[in-house]
Amino acid sequence: DAGVTQSPTHLIKTRGQQVTLRCSPKSGHDTVSWYQQALGQGPQFIFQYYEEEERQRGNFPDRFSGHQFPNYSSELNVNALLLGDSALYLCASSRTFSGGETQYFGPGTRLLVL
Amino acid sequence: AQSVTQLGSHVSVSEGALVLLRCNYSSSVPPYLFWYVQYPNQGLQLLLKYTSAATLVKGINGFEAEFKKSETSFHLTKPSAHMSDAAEYFCAVSEGTGNQFYFGTGTSLTVIP
Repeated sequence: DAGVTQSPTHLIKTRGQQVTLRCSPKSGHDTVSWYQQALGQGPQFIFQYYEEEERQRGNFPDRFSGHQFPNYSSELNVNALLLGDSALYLCASSRTFSGGETQYFGPGTRLLVL
Repeated sequence: AQSVTQLGSHVSVSEGALVLLRCNYSSSVPPYLFWYVQYPNQGLQLLLKYTSAATLVKGINGFEAEFKKSETSFHLTKPSAHMSDAAEYFCAVSEGTGNQFYFGTGTSLTVIP
């Protein structure tokens, strides 16, 4: 049973560019959440997708957007990159119903903005 | 709003000694509480969780945690530290199924041989 997978593992971009990160949830999971983890900090919630809709959103600007596909995989898009967007981006999947209180995390994508 | 406070950003213990990592939370509703471990350059791995069943929760790798409502705490313990326990530990709280997680700032555990 494959866990949560993310791609790419590492990414280097320059200020002003756009980036797309990808996530495939754990088998049987239908909900995907994205978190940003800056160096030395705990993860911060960006948003959550369920049934291809954004269900919850944290305190992040509109430059951060996402998408969920019919197979439950998800993308995180960040436009107009800033130096401060450099971080580890974590995807977490869960089930909406029974046993869905737990989020399972992928290995993350490390983004460096120069 | 919910929040998590992890006291002690760095904790050092000798191999074989007791591990105690502290977590206090604030929540307006009965919380779900979690401990995750993060090894260098990796994602988060679930250690254990509290979801309103038994207040003493046992997890993987010999870790356990006790939910104390009166103290709003969910401290993580392990009777005997092993070198492989060296990692970053995060406490998280949520209001329930489908809700976002709020994480603490983490505690880095060093195990001294």
